Amino acid sequence: NAGVTQTPKFQVLKTGQSMTLQCAQDMNHEYMSWYRQDPGMGLRLIHYSVGAGITDQGEVPNGYNVSRSTTEDFPLRLLSAAPSQTSVYFCASSYATSYEQYFGPGTRLTVT
Amino acid sequence: GESVGLHLPTLSVQEGDNSIINCAYSNSASDYFIWYKQESGKGPQFIIDIRSNMDKRQGQRVTVLLNKTVKHLSLQIAATQPGDSAVYFCAENDAGGTSYGKLTFGQGTILTVHP
Repeated sequence: NAGVTQTPKFQVLKTGQSMTLQCAQDMNHEYMSWYRQDPGMGLRLIHYSVGAGITDQGEVPNGYNVSRSTTEDFPLRLLSAAPSQTSVYFCASSYATSYEQYFGPGTRLTVT
Repeated sequence: GESVGLHLPTLSVQEGDNSIINCAYSNSASDYFIWYKQESGKGPQFIIDIRSNMDKRQGQRVTVLLNKTVKHLSLQIAATQPGDSAVYFCAENDAGGTSYGKLTFGQGTILTVHP
């Protein structure tokens, strides 16, 4: 199993540009989520999904969109990047009835 | 001025010592708690969890203690090794079993183990 994979590892964007962060898992987990981690802080939940076709907002959803068309993939879209979105982004997955989440290696995003 | 959250609590120990990492939580409705370890440049990794109806749970070299009266959680690492050096986060879930994955993370503590 590859576990949770994320691409790209690093990305630099200019203000106003759009991009999609990719996340995939091969563990047949129902639950997937996106977090952001800012320097010296814990992770904050952006969006999550309890299964294909179902998504919901977390603590800090503004500026981000998600969709879940398959069990395996959960992309995060930034429609118009802002410097405040400079952060490290982590994707995680778990079984629907498990608290144990598996995290990907992260994507470091810089918006100038 | 200084921003909240930029300076994580730190704990520095010698190899072989026992380490205790503390976490205060604010949501009295939280019913599940997890400790994660994050090594530099990597995603968080699950260590151990505890339900709110327990006050202690042991794993391999780790013990989690929960004191609901003062809303305090601690992680004890026995015989700390250099490989334990990382940032440790506590996380809580208050969804009452309806949304297992919605976790609220604490700020984190940096553990440094000196050989």
